[in-house]
Amino acid sequence: QKEVEQNSGPLSVPEGAIASLNCTYSDRGSQSFFWYRQYSGKSPELIMFIYSNGDKEDGRFTAQLNKASQYVSLLIRDSQPSDSATYLCAVVQGAQKLVFGQGTRLTINP
Amino acid sequence: KAGVTQTPRYLIKTRGQQVTLSCSPISGHRSVSWYQQTPGQGLQFLFEYFSETQRNKGNFPGRFSGRQFSNSRSEMNVSTLELGDSALYLCASSIGTSLTTGELFFGEGSRLTVL
Repeated sequence: QKEVEQNSGPLSVPEGAIASLNCTYSDRGSQSFFWYRQYSGKSPELIMFIYSNGDKEDGRFTAQLNKASQYVSLLIRDSQPSDSATYLCAVVQGAQKLVFGQGTRLTINP
Repeated sequence: KAGVTQTPRYLIKTRGQQVTLSCSPISGHRSVSWYQQTPGQGLQFLFEYFSETQRNKGNFPGRFSGRQFSNSRSEMNVSTLELGDSALYLCASSIGTSLTTGELFFGEGSRLTVL
């Protein structure tokens, strides 16, 4: 079992709809969870982090965490073509090791 | 404020050679992490340094090594290059002593091609 798993996609969503990205992790002791966005040919950049169970909202982005199910998700409301990118889920294991999933490639269709 | 700087951006080597990649973190950041990114494996953790000490290491063979200098700049070295080492090598810096509360700031990467 991979430490952090994501559906690689591609995930295609019409403009204005909600994009839902999912991630599961294997280390039950993990406490910190991050979502990074990577545009083609660019380096990853942080868009959200979440530490507590429940939802965390930031503009059009909502991160959801369920530690019992070892599941973290990212919702993008009112999707825009500029949201087309690969979204990487990352989980801190131990104190200093950030483990990334394979990434989900998201395409927003105008 | 300057971002994370990686050099060289592109390089081509042949099997058996060695390569050294350099990373200058954001000013004030003391932690540097290295990742290998390939289409098949995604982003894989290589190692992390803080105050010149390696604090964590990923599951890579001993051919992959790194170090950090007193000014927080870091280098990674790959010896006896193999075709499978072709990848984008990303360096990331963070300000804190713990990743649990901090974010990583990535450089643009060094793209290595092994022929």
